[in-house]
Amino acid sequence: DTAVSQTPKYLVTQMGNDKSIKCEQNLGHDTMYWYKQDSKKFLKIMFSYNNKELIINETVPNRFSPKSPDKAHLNLHINSLELGDSAVYFCASSPTAERDSPLHFGNGTRLTVT
Amino acid sequence: AQSVSQHNHHVILSEAASLELGCNYSYGGTVNLFWYVQYPGQHLQLLLKYFSGDPLVKGIKGFEAEFIKSKFSFNLRKPSVQWSDTAEYFCAVSISSNTGKLIFGQGTTLQVKP
Repeated sequence: DTAVSQTPKYLVTQMGNDKSIKCEQNLGHDTMYWYKQDSKKFLKIMFSYNNKELIINETVPNRFSPKSPDKAHLNLHINSLELGDSAVYFCASSPTAERDSPLHFGNGTRLTVT
Repeated sequence: AQSVSQHNHHVILSEAASLELGCNYSYGGTVNLFWYVQYPGQHLQLLLKYFSGDPLVKGIKGFEAEFIKSKFSFNLRKPSVQWSDTAEYFCAVSISSNTGKLIFGQGTTLQVKP
């Protein structure tokens, strides 16, 4: 059973389009995250939700809007896609939002904007 | 700003060679430290973590890491690598007590030749 699942795995789209990436975790964790991995493999946090409440919102363009309908799901919607949005987006979850709570990652969604 | 540096970007070793990957962080307060591994085509997995106590921590698959507070370092080691250790290795630090936010290094690509 996949603990943290993301869909789709690959997403190819044109500039200006709007797209969504979905994430679900079946671990019963309270906290979920979105990380972006750029072409140099550098991972940077974008958002975090704890029990459906936004607790981290890094400096991310407001074209990116996360939504957490319940604590098992955290979706990412991106409006007006730009070339620079091309990256691998990882969803993750952790039991709590405490510092010592290790993250469990999904397999990533590779987004290519043409 | 807090940051994590991994000095080796690409390491090539032969099987049975010893491994040490460097990781340094910049933050003067309490930290939790992690090493994650990403095998080809797979998601990031936790290799080991340091929270407190014995600065020498052991993880899965024979890996260990040593926290040296005076050097702000958390280097990863393995006495004898195998071909199956070929992967990306990421060092990460958590400094926030209530958000679970991880700051990642830029990763090290390890290639083990059979």
